[in-house]
Amino acid sequence: NAGVTQTPKFRVLKTGQSMTLLCAQDMNHEYMYWYRQDPGMGLRLIHYSVGEGTTAKGEVPDGYNVSRLKKQNFLLGLESAAPSQTSVYFCASQDSNQPQHFGDGTRLSIL
Amino acid sequence: GQSLEQPSEVTAVEGAIVQINCTYQTSGFYGLSWYQQHDGGAPTFLSYNALDGLEETGRFSSFLSRSDSYGYLLLQELQMKDSASYFCAVRPLTTDSWGKLQFGAGTQVVVTP
Repeated sequence: NAGVTQTPKFRVLKTGQSMTLLCAQDMNHEYMYWYRQDPGMGLRLIHYSVGEGTTAKGEVPDGYNVSRLKKQNFLLGLESAAPSQTSVYFCASQDSNQPQHFGDGTRLSIL
Repeated sequence: GQSLEQPSEVTAVEGAIVQINCTYQTSGFYGLSWYQQHDGGAPTFLSYNALDGLEETGRFSSFLSRSDSYGYLLLQELQMKDSASYFCAVRPLTTDSWGKLQFGAGTQVVVTP
């Protein structure tokens, strides 16, 4: 039972490049979330999904897009990476009113 | 909106007791959660207070007082492995998603021998 798996674990991009972060969960959870974590700022919600085929904006959505084509997967896309998007990205999933389960994070550097 | 405030760092010796406070300005929320995060690791759930009062889980306890806009996490019998960041989080009443959380900036707990 893997829980929440994020790929890749590390990535370095050049400004303007695009990439997709993948989050996969095997717990059949309806709710999935993408956060970014920056030093001294805790976790900030980027986008979230309340079920397959649905997505919604969180606190800091600009510069990111998401898709939830399959219930178990939640993809986070950066269309044109900027240095301000250098961060650690965490995915989480949740079942109804239970606690959120987090992946191990993706460390992304934009040069 | 929501604003959660926590101390940035707390240092204590092994075996001691540490209290991490979380104060908030909010228009209403479902409950207060606490998460632990070790350096480089994933946040993991510790405790949840839906109602006012104390919740105890082993060496860790969490407290909520809505009338005082205040909660805390209490770590007892501190161990070296408790060195980590601890985040409080609330689920706003206005959210359109059951689980959408807003996190505090986190408190770094440093346990010394």
